[in-house]
Amino acid sequence: SQTIHQWPATLVQPVGSPLSLECTVEGTSNPNLYWYRQAAGRGLQLLFYSVGIGQISSEVPQNLSASRPQDRQFILSSKKLLLSDSGFYLCAWSSLGQGGSETQYFGPGTRLLVL
Amino acid sequence: AQSVTQLGSHVSVSEGALVLLRCNYSSSVPPYLFWYVQYPNQGLQLLLKYTTGATLVKGINGFEAEFKKSETSFHLTKPSAHMSDAAEYFCAVSRSGGYNKLIFGAGTRLAVHP
Repeated sequence: SQTIHQWPATLVQPVGSPLSLECTVEGTSNPNLYWYRQAAGRGLQLLFYSVGIGQISSEVPQNLSASRPQDRQFILSSKKLLLSDSGFYLCAWSSLGQGGSETQYFGPGTRLLVL
Repeated sequence: AQSVTQLGSHVSVSEGALVLLRCNYSSSVPPYLFWYVQYPNQGLQLLLKYTTGATLVKGINGFEAEFKKSETSFHLTKPSAHMSDAAEYFCAVSRSGGYNKLIFGAGTRLAVHP
């Protein structure tokens, strides 16, 4: 069966510090991968998605970047965190093919607090 | 462009009462529709989805939703609420072709009281 991991689970960082959040998927190959942010009391905002190694698309211009160094690894980064980067970050994966109807499976999330 | 509107950011029901969470979508092409549930400090879990075929979709935990094209709606229902149903519920839409990009509604927080 497939599983998705995110770490760390919780992170408290000062403004201006760097960020690296990691997401890995097990039990599947060539997944689509996604990063979402969920701000308090708000819905999910798609930040980045990837259809393959090294292929990253950004949905919202911002202070963050993403990378996919391996097929089942997706990393969210920032060089300098802002207060507005605080939130709950969710990674998700879906299968390729049949475009649009595949279920996205979410990881447990990372709660980031920037002080 | 696609969009999702969830009417009511908070819904409160009594245990055993009907649960009705409303979702309306906007899409220029036939949509794929999803309902997810999120328990506190956890990721999202799929409840059910509509792709094609039967418009009444049954999901996990006794939930179901009906796709009504004429009303552009995909409301989520459960005949009898249980305390464990208290969570946040998200409706989402995607479109056919290419990768699976989901557009989420703002969410509805369901409270169940004794």
